[in-house]
Amino acid sequence: DVKVTQSSRYLVKRTGEKVFLECVQDMDHENMFWYRQDPGLGLRLIYFSYDVKMKEKGDIPEGYSVSREKKERFSLILESASTNQTSMYLCASRPWTDLNEKLFFGSGTQLSVL
Amino acid sequence: QKEVEQNSGPLSVPEGAIASLNCTYSDRVSQSFFWYRQYSGKSPELIMSIYSNGDKEDGRFTAQLNKASQYVSLLIRDSQPSDSATYLCAAVSGGSYIPTFGRGTSLIVHP
Repeated sequence: DVKVTQSSRYLVKRTGEKVFLECVQDMDHENMFWYRQDPGLGLRLIYFSYDVKMKEKGDIPEGYSVSREKKERFSLILESASTNQTSMYLCASRPWTDLNEKLFFGSGTQLSVL
Repeated sequence: QKEVEQNSGPLSVPEGAIASLNCTYSDRVSQSFFWYRQYSGKSPELIMSIYSNGDKEDGRFTAQLNKASQYVSLLIRDSQPSDSATYLCAAVSGGSYIPTFGRGTSLIVHP
């Protein structure tokens, strides 16, 4: 069974800190995604990656960057955390072979920026 | 911008009733559609996927797709309290292959 692991379930950071959210998948999926989820706003795409070292901006990339140096790992970076980045962050993966394939989600990281 | 619209609810139905969840999408080249269920504090899990016009049934769940009207729905028969959750509709564009999610509909099934 596919497993998508996010390194932390809960994180508390201070304004201005550099924050790393890590996501690892174990099924050799090419595509990986970072979403944030806020009450009433659904899932909004921050960044996605088609494959290693490839990245594309999603709908709300401002204040974020990503890194995909290895196929199994997709990192989301908050360069200087702000209170409006307090949110639930969801990582997901999908094989490239079939665009109709569902997304496999991690368990999420609830980030609080104080 | 591609949009997927859902009524946020909450939709409240009695146990045993049919729950009907609806979704519209703006991108005409969307070609695959997904319904995910999300319990509070948990990540989304796939309930149904549908790619062709018409109905697709899986147990108590039926997904319906009408591409001409750009409309997707999910019917839940014999609703149970355990069905109480937020249901997310997602559409995948044939161009970008990126899933776009709606804001979700909160379903409450009361005994």
